[in-house]
Amino acid sequence: QEHLVQSGAEVKKPGSSVKVSCKASGGTSNSYSISWVRQAPGQGLEWMGGSIPLFGTLTYAQRFQDRVTITADKSTSTDYMELSSLTSEDTAIYYCARADIVVLPAVDGGDFYYYGMDVWGPGTTVTVSS
Amino acid sequence: DVVMTQSPLSLPVTLGQPASISCRSSQSLLYSDGNTYLNWFQQRPGQSPRRLIYKVSNRDSGVPDRFSGSGSGTEFTLEIRRVEAEDVGIYFCMQGAHWPHTFGQGTNLEIK
Repeated sequence: QEHLVQSGAEVKKPGSSVKVSCKASGGTSNSYSISWVRQAPGQGLEWMGGSIPLFGTLTYAQRFQDRVTITADKSTSTDYMELSSLTSEDTAIYYCARADIVVLPAVDGGDFYYYGMDVWGPGTTVTVSS
Repeated sequence: DVVMTQSPLSLPVTLGQPASISCRSSQSLLYSDGNTYLNWFQQRPGQSPRRLIYKVSNRDSGVPDRFSGSGSGTEFTLEIRRVEAEDVGIYFCMQGAHWPHTFGQGTNLEIK
């Protein structure tokens, strides 16, 4: 089973941005979906959004839509999540999680992407403090 | 957003005894393709989450068969047949039938 490697811990000032990376060890396949999930200290899991790099599709949770950007470098199979306008409430561990691509028919005739999250990275701790 | 409600939130269990965690969704998780997109995750202390069960009742590779999932529509259950020390941690249900995907609050399983 593949392992995911994430970038190191970050300490950021309020109002700044942070960019976290995620890469599968030993693989350059682009056939996967990627989710970004965060966990504030002592709290539960919160899905922020996901993407399918092969298709260039992006899905963001509405509460993060204005502040989060998910990108991918296909040449290195590395995914990135950037969160802007940081506040102390963004202090959390940020996880990436991969799965196979699953595309389903949506009610409106479009596509619905299911993010299975079967392989998780070790997490990146982001601390926001002045 | 679909709200996932787990119970109990704290679950003290004696080694070797069974354990059961309930998860309820505010909307049906049955998708038009006939699948129900409900997953269970385990998070051991200090570790990343690990998926145990997908689509209600399918165990992931390497997951012991003492773990089982059941349910349909909006009511789901994770059962551990005989709890072992390595099962200590927090268990989360997650729905993938709607955007955004959402998690339950988590159930903290501990040994009595």
